[in-house]
Amino acid sequence: DTAVSQTPKYLVTQMGNDKSIKCEQNLGHDTMYWYKQDSKKFLKIMFSYNNKELIINETVPNRFSPKSPDKAHLNLHINSLELGDSAVYFCASSQEGGGASGDTQYFGPGTRLTVL
Amino acid sequence: LAKTTQPISMDSYEGQEVNITCSHNNIATNDYITWYQQFPSQGPRFIIQGYKTKVTNEVASLFIPADRKSSTLSLPRVSLSDTAVYYCLVGDVVLNFGNEKLTFGTGTRLTIIP
Repeated sequence: DTAVSQTPKYLVTQMGNDKSIKCEQNLGHDTMYWYKQDSKKFLKIMFSYNNKELIINETVPNRFSPKSPDKAHLNLHINSLELGDSAVYFCASSQEGGGASGDTQYFGPGTRLTVL
Repeated sequence: LAKTTQPISMDSYEGQEVNITCSHNNIATNDYITWYQQFPSQGPRFIIQGYKTKVTNEVASLFIPADRKSSTLSLPRVSLSDTAVYYCLVGDVVLNFGNEKLTFGTGTRLTIIP
């Protein structure tokens, strides 16, 4: 069984469109994350949700908004897509959250977003 | 979050032991050290985590000197399937939920040669 799943795997869209990426975890974890991996392979945290509360919000544009309908899901909505949003987006989850210390993050397969 | 420095890339032949060192001079007292492995088009996968001295699991060993300003990931007898990017991450113990960064660095691209 897949622990952390994301859909879609690939997403190609035009500038200015609004799109969503879904993430689900079946590990019973309390915290979920969204990461962005840029062309240089840097992984940067975007959001973290614990018990439906946003606990980490890096300096990302407000065009990006995480939505968590329940503890097992954290979807990423992106409005008015721009060329610079092209990247691979990874969802992750962990039992406790907040850091790597004694808390392992499990990652999804990633969603490759291409904005034309 | 403590900044980490790793070699950009490494090559090794199959069957050899590979050691990848990560520098983290500003590591804090409560920081743990975690290593992740990432294959192309996949999310990072947890390999090993430690606080001090040596940690070993079925996949790798992690060596941490007494001053904890560096750590070395050791992969025994590598195979072609070990070709991947390896990330070293140093994080704080979460005492309360705050604005903690979990940013990975550039990682080390390990290429195993037949």
